[in-house]
Amino acid sequence: GAVVSQHPSWVICKSGTSVKIECRSLDFQATTMFWYRQFPKQSLMLMATSNEGSKATYEQGVEKDKFLINHASLTLSTLTVTSAHPEDSSFYICSAVLLAGGPNEQYFGPGTRLTVT
Amino acid sequence: GQNIDQPTEMTATEGAIVQINCTYQTSGFNGLFWYQQHAGEAPTFLSYNVLDGLEEKGRFSSFLSRSKGYSYLLLKELQMKDSASYLCAALDSNYQLIWGAGTKLIIKP
Repeated sequence: GAVVSQHPSWVICKSGTSVKIECRSLDFQATTMFWYRQFPKQSLMLMATSNEGSKATYEQGVEKDKFLINHASLTLSTLTVTSAHPEDSSFYICSAVLLAGGPNEQYFGPGTRLTVT
Repeated sequence: GQNIDQPTEMTATEGAIVQINCTYQTSGFNGLFWYQQHAGEAPTFLSYNVLDGLEEKGRFSSFLSRSKGYSYLLLKELQMKDSASYLCAALDSNYQLIWGAGTKLIIKP
């Protein structure tokens, strides 16, 4: 089956530093990758839609200068949290859509737990 | 506005059957998903319905009524490992997923 990986799986950083999270589709090509954030006991919140070779589309309320997304290839998208603050501490999950697949062909990465101290 | 409603929490007994309901209001509709999410983990795909009716997949079944904006996930022969949150999500006309807040299912022995 289609596998999506994320790295790192967890990270602790100091306030004011930047953190990069990678999302890779391991055995398929993904035209589109989604980045979600999930706070404890809440549902997933879509942050942005990342399309290979073009600028990401950010959801309302998500600062694009703070959450930098790069989708350099059909198998890799990165999310960089710049100047992280404790309120950015959350579970970040990416998902990838199989190239030419139907809307149900969306696969989730295992998530990255970010703690900002 | 777009909205997904599902119960916050349900409790069931091991070996029993439980039905988790979901109602949705979206701008257009391109299908409904159910995901299972264990604490601290990413969601895993369970089912996708776009046509009315019941789709059965082993112990799990999912039902959709487009005219009523309603879906349910049916879990049979409950096992302790089924304790998790179950997320309902609808795909709108722009192919954006609208997520429900999830139903936490607690299984008791």
